[in-house]
Amino acid sequence: NAGVTQTPKFRVLKTGQSMTLLCAQDMNHEYMYWYRQDPGMGLRLIHYSVGEGTTAKGEVPDGYNVSRLKKQNFLLGLESAAPSQTSVYFCASSPLGGSSYEQYFGPGTRLTVT
Amino acid sequence: SQQGEEDPQALSIQEGENATMNCSYKTSINNLQWYRQNSGRGLVHLILIRSNEREKHSGRLRVTLDTSKKSSSLLITASRAADTASYFCATPARRSNDYKLSFGAGTTVTVRA
Repeated sequence: NAGVTQTPKFRVLKTGQSMTLLCAQDMNHEYMYWYRQDPGMGLRLIHYSVGEGTTAKGEVPDGYNVSRLKKQNFLLGLESAAPSQTSVYFCASSPLGGSSYEQYFGPGTRLTVT
Repeated sequence: SQQGEEDPQALSIQEGENATMNCSYKTSINNLQWYRQNSGRGLVHLILIRSNEREKHSGRLRVTLDTSKKSSSLLITASRAADTASYFCATPARRSNDYKLSFGAGTTVTVRA
């Protein structure tokens, strides 16, 4: 099993450009999450999904959109990138939601917006 | 907003020594989890402790939970260079809707050879 994979690993964007980050999991998990990690701030939840076809806002959703058309994939989109979105993005999945289940994380995508 | 906060922010120890870090949280919880993050990698789950447990062990890791003080501690015994990483506690984002985790800012542990 590959677990949770993320594409791409690195990306540099200019302000105003758009891009999509892809997350894939092969564990048949229901829940999937997108986080951003900034120095000194820990992980902040951007959006999450409780199953195929569903999405919900997390703590810092502004400037991002997501889609979960297939159970194994969770896409994070930036429509018009801003320097404030420079960060490391992590995708995670879990069998179900909540603190009773561990989350499995991908390796991260390092995004720089200039 | 963050539920849990780790303390200290950073810790430097000699190989073979023990490392202890703490996590304090704000509201009642059902479970608390600890994760490790090696530099440049994703988080890896270490241990889950339930609210009715006071202590749990996994290899060289010992986790305690004191629900009356709303705090947890993670002890790494006989540390190794490979334990150099950041450690995060994770708690339910909100008690009434236990479907999301809230992560603290983490404790960065450096183990010197």
